[in-house]
Amino acid sequence: AQSVAQPEDQVNVAEGNPLTVKCTYSVSGNPYLFWYVQYPNRGLQFLLKYITGDNLVKGSYGFEAEFNKSQTSFHLKKPSALVSDSALYFCAVRPSTGANNLFFGTGTRLTVIP
Amino acid sequence: DTGVSQDPRHKITKRGQNVTFRCDPISEHNRLYWYRQTLGQGPEFLTYFQNEAQLEKSRLLSDRFSAERPKGSFSTLEIQRTEQGDSAMYLCASRGTGNTEAFFGQGTRLTVV
Repeated sequence: AQSVAQPEDQVNVAEGNPLTVKCTYSVSGNPYLFWYVQYPNRGLQFLLKYITGDNLVKGSYGFEAEFNKSQTSFHLKKPSALVSDSALYFCAVRPSTGANNLFFGTGTRLTVIP
Repeated sequence: DTGVSQDPRHKITKRGQNVTFRCDPISEHNRLYWYRQTLGQGPEFLTYFQNEAQLEKSRLLSDRFSAERPKGSFSTLEIQRTEQGDSAMYLCASRGTGNTEAFFGQGTRLTVV
């Protein structure tokens, strides 16, 4: 069975400091991994993905994520947080074969404090 | 705007009424998904279309729910005899053959009173 865990409901970070939002997953076979961001009363915006290749992937708005196969993790990172990064972040997984849909974590609310 | 479009954005209905939502995917995206998101949760998969064929349905999709994509373009999601537990954000997403990521619409927020 496919599943995603986001262990932190809430992450607070000071503006200008680095941020990390954690994600671990369980999937049969090789995973396709994604991060999405959601602003209030809005849909999900795609941030970045890992499909294959380099374990460090870069995405929109200066975000990056590191795929760690042995730890089954895909943590989202940014070197310097902005107040405008405050939002709800979702990690999602899709197996490379089989199911076509995404399996989402429960989300992490990021608050960047000015 | 060439993104995924959903209509309406908000819907308030009385318990027992039927509601229908529409999704217009990104042009030429052959894959279309419906998800449901309740407060404090991540989106949960409901159903998947490839072109006009409904290929997957979640167990969450009770017999009161039906989805169609008649010409392989837009899709509708109908909920019959709505219940208060149906209150949620209903999200539509589409994905093209050459894409690994799905693109989401802004959602339809349903409130059943």
